[in-house]
Amino acid sequence: GEDVEQSLFLSVREGDSSVINCTYTDSSSTYLYWYKQEPGAGLQLLTYIFSNMDMKQDQRLTVLLNKKDKHLSLRIADTQTGDSAIYFCAERGGFILTGGGNKLTFGTGTQLKVEL
Amino acid sequence: DVKVTQSSRYLVKRTGEKVFLECVQDMDHENMFWYRQDPGLGLRLIYFSYDVKMKEKGDIPEGYSVSREKKERFSLILESASTNQTSMYLCASRAGPNPYEQYFGPGTRLTVT
Repeated sequence: GEDVEQSLFLSVREGDSSVINCTYTDSSSTYLYWYKQEPGAGLQLLTYIFSNMDMKQDQRLTVLLNKKDKHLSLRIADTQTGDSAIYFCAERGGFILTGGGNKLTFGTGTQLKVEL
Repeated sequence: DVKVTQSSRYLVKRTGEKVFLECVQDMDHENMFWYRQDPGLGLRLIYFSYDVKMKEKGDIPEGYSVSREKKERFSLILESASTNQTSMYLCASRAGPNPYEQYFGPGTRLTVT
């Protein structure tokens, strides 16, 4: 079945770049997503990348996809204290739910801590 | 602006109690989901509903049931709560098949003592 792996923790200094990594197993993944969860809140979609792309940039966020190695990364430039959160990688794989629509499989989440 | 609300942010229940977690969305979405979130395990799908009165088991349905009597409301039921069901529960909804449009509620932190 599908499996999505992330490291659990990352600590960076304010102003540095953060790189959060994710590996997945489903080769039929069509979209890959990054969600952010701030303390006490639900998940908020940050960005996504289609599987035929290598890179996507959105302001301070850069997503890199290595489809051959099934490796996804999220780079946050000039990391701020407001970026402290849990970041989830998710893949839209080939599994179709009853009623249509693809299942999202989430990674374990990476807790990003930004230090002054 | 899509809104997904959950009835409680924090809930404390005793072992053996019947527990209802409520989720309401205001955008007429067909699909609604219940996940549980545990440290180191990420989000795991418990149940999914694609229409009123229609439901499908997710990856970890044991010990849970669901109810969807109205399109906007999806309830998660713990028939007899156990301590291993202590967790954060997240509801989500989406309009169609594209997960890009999946919106999450703020979560309910349930503690079973």
